[in-house]
Amino acid sequence: DQQVKQNSPSLSVQEGRISILNCDYTNSMFDYFLWYKKYPAEGPTFLISISSIKDKNEDGRFTVFLNKSAKHLSLHIVPSQPGDSAVYFCAKRPPGANSKLTFGKGITLSVRP
Amino acid sequence: NAGVTQTPKFQVLKTGQSMTLQCAQDMNHNSMYWYRQDPGMGLRLIYYSASEGTTDKGEVPNGYNVSRLNKREFSLRLESAAPSQTSVYFCASSRDPFATNEKLFFGSGTQLSVL
Repeated sequence: DQQVKQNSPSLSVQEGRISILNCDYTNSMFDYFLWYKKYPAEGPTFLISISSIKDKNEDGRFTVFLNKSAKHLSLHIVPSQPGDSAVYFCAKRPPGANSKLTFGKGITLSVRP
Repeated sequence: NAGVTQTPKFQVLKTGQSMTLQCAQDMNHNSMYWYRQDPGMGLRLIYYSASEGTTDKGEVPNGYNVSRLNKREFSLRLESAAPSQTSVYFCASSRDPFATNEKLFFGSGTQLSVL
């Protein structure tokens, strides 16, 4: 049972345009969601997160939207920059003590200059 | 600021050989984790240690053992390596295993090939 689904393996956008990375999830309505970014030969780094009690969280060029009825999460990057080219992982953690993160398969974003 | 340090960065093994991947964090974090990343599979949890002195299985523990040597160090051992264990291994740590909004901090990974 794949609890976090990133169905599009890759995305290519023009510099300056918006990048929209999608993620679908199953199970609990009270999960906490995170996005991680990974460059080649480096470990993932935390990018942005959102609580299930919110619909939106913004941090600079990055905004995450949560649609609980559709069980859908999206990460918007505006404007996209070549340095944003990386693999983006969606992850969720259910409530409860000592719960674990479950990661999606990742989306490779390429931002063309 | 070293953060999470993994050694080695690259390793080639023959089937049946054993090895230990080392991980150390200098952030005084309580929890540590081992993940593997395979193409098209995302990050999968192998083992974790919620606190010093405890270890638990994750999603894909078969063929691995771990040791939480102290609060800083968490090692992953392959007793008899198999080609299916060819992967990139990431160690991670977090401060509070009981906080829902807790973030993981990752090392830079170990590229392991088993021939």
